[in-house]
Amino acid sequence: GQQLNQSPQSMFIQEGEDVSMNCTSSSIFNTWLWYKQEPGEGPVLLIALYKAGELTSNGRLTAQFGITRKDSFLNISASIPSDVGIYFCAGRPHWEIMKTSYDKVIFGPGTSLSVIP
Amino acid sequence: EAGVVQSPRYKIIEKKQPVAFWCNPISGHNTLYWYRQNLGQGPELLIRYENEEAVDDSQLPKDRFSAERLKGVDSTLKIQPAELGDSAVYLCASSLGGGTLNTEAFFGQGTRLTVV
Repeated sequence: GQQLNQSPQSMFIQEGEDVSMNCTSSSIFNTWLWYKQEPGEGPVLLIALYKAGELTSNGRLTAQFGITRKDSFLNISASIPSDVGIYFCAGRPHWEIMKTSYDKVIFGPGTSLSVIP
Repeated sequence: EAGVVQSPRYKIIEKKQPVAFWCNPISGHNTLYWYRQNLGQGPELLIRYENEEAVDDSQLPKDRFSAERLKGVDSTLKIQPAELGDSAVYLCASSLGGGTLNTEAFFGQGTRLTVV
């Protein structure tokens, strides 16, 4: 089935550093989503992207919908300890919508972020 | 406004026993999802409801899993009998749905199932 790849798999950074992570696919996506999950909690939506090339910010977070529609990037500026968690990309594959016309979102394996105070 | 509510938070059962999870979505949300999240992985969709209709259950192992959303509000996911490989976090999510474009899902806290 359709898979998303996320890199890096894990990151250990110093407080105050900037963070970059990405998500790639071999197929075209119509929507890119970035979620954060903390231990014992469900994923929380951070940013949603709906158009190729779109750049959207949410506080210290910035995400971009890749021009090729096969990737997306998430940047976190000036990291703080509460940024710790697992960041998942997710998206709506173009081929899935064309095949079934149903809304289907698939998730990547996640990037684990640790911030050292 | 209350978020997606799931119960129980944790469940430990012996293999071959039945188990059920309950979810109450955000009020007014027509679409309800059940996801399974294995350790170290992202959530995987099991079933999606639009009101009371299951519109995508292609990933639901129907030999042992069942789900219902009788009145189009809360939902129950059941496993009978449970196997060791069913140990995972079961997440419920909801969204406005109903043809509204670009409405994303809000997740509950999940039920962590351990089968021993």
